Amino acid sequence: AQKITQTQPGMFVQEKEAVTLDCTYDTSDPSYGLFWYKQPSSGEMIFLIYQGSYDQQNATEGRYSLNFQKARKSANLVISASQLGDSAMYFCAMRELISSGSARQLTFGSGTQLTVLP
Amino acid sequence: DAGVIQSPRHEVTEMGQEVTLRCKPISGHNSLFWYRQTMMRGLELLIYFNNNVPIDDSGMPEDRFSAKMPNASFSTLKIQPSEPRDSAVYFCASSTRRSGANVLTFGAGSRLTVL
Repeated sequence: AQKITQTQPGMFVQEKEAVTLDCTYDTSDPSYGLFWYKQPSSGEMIFLIYQGSYDQQNATEGRYSLNFQKARKSANLVISASQLGDSAMYFCAMRELISSGSARQLTFGSGTQLTVLP
Repeated sequence: DAGVIQSPRHEVTEMGQEVTLRCKPISGHNSLFWYRQTMMRGLELLIYFNNNVPIDDSGMPEDRFSAKMPNASFSTLKIQPSEPRDSAVYFCASSTRRSGANVLTFGAGSRLTVL
């Protein structure tokens, strides 16, 4: 079963508008973390935002916010006031305890390609 | 802070040749990860190290792949012999605690093409 599901292969948004990128996850671990990374066409992976499973408030980092709905197991990324430079692939990822309990590893979704239109 | 440094950035080789990818993590980061990215399979964790010790190598595709971390500032991923299906971008990442989480910082990646 997929641990991280991103159902939107591609999204378009008008410059200056807000956009929501979907992410759902599957885990039985009560303690986990959710991450969003951005990968522009140049290829590097850039960390955007983090949400811990026990965090009471939704995470925010500048124009990025995470809409965390624990009961629904969703962690959608909201980008406000989109800019042309936001055009990139966006990956949702989860870190949980592996079965042995000794460490954590990061599992990525398949990504959403966001295109910001002028 | 120079970030995670990977070399080479691009490698083109022929099937059967040995390939060695190199990584220098961020100083002070005690965890290092090797990921592979392909169109078909996305981002896959190959192996990771804590304090230079390999913790989980279950993602290493087969015996042709090996990884080492002889010290805290250097790691290698070796493919011998290489095959066309190994063509991918290989990312190295290191982690530290930030915002209450162990955030991975990625290198720029090594794009491998095996002909």
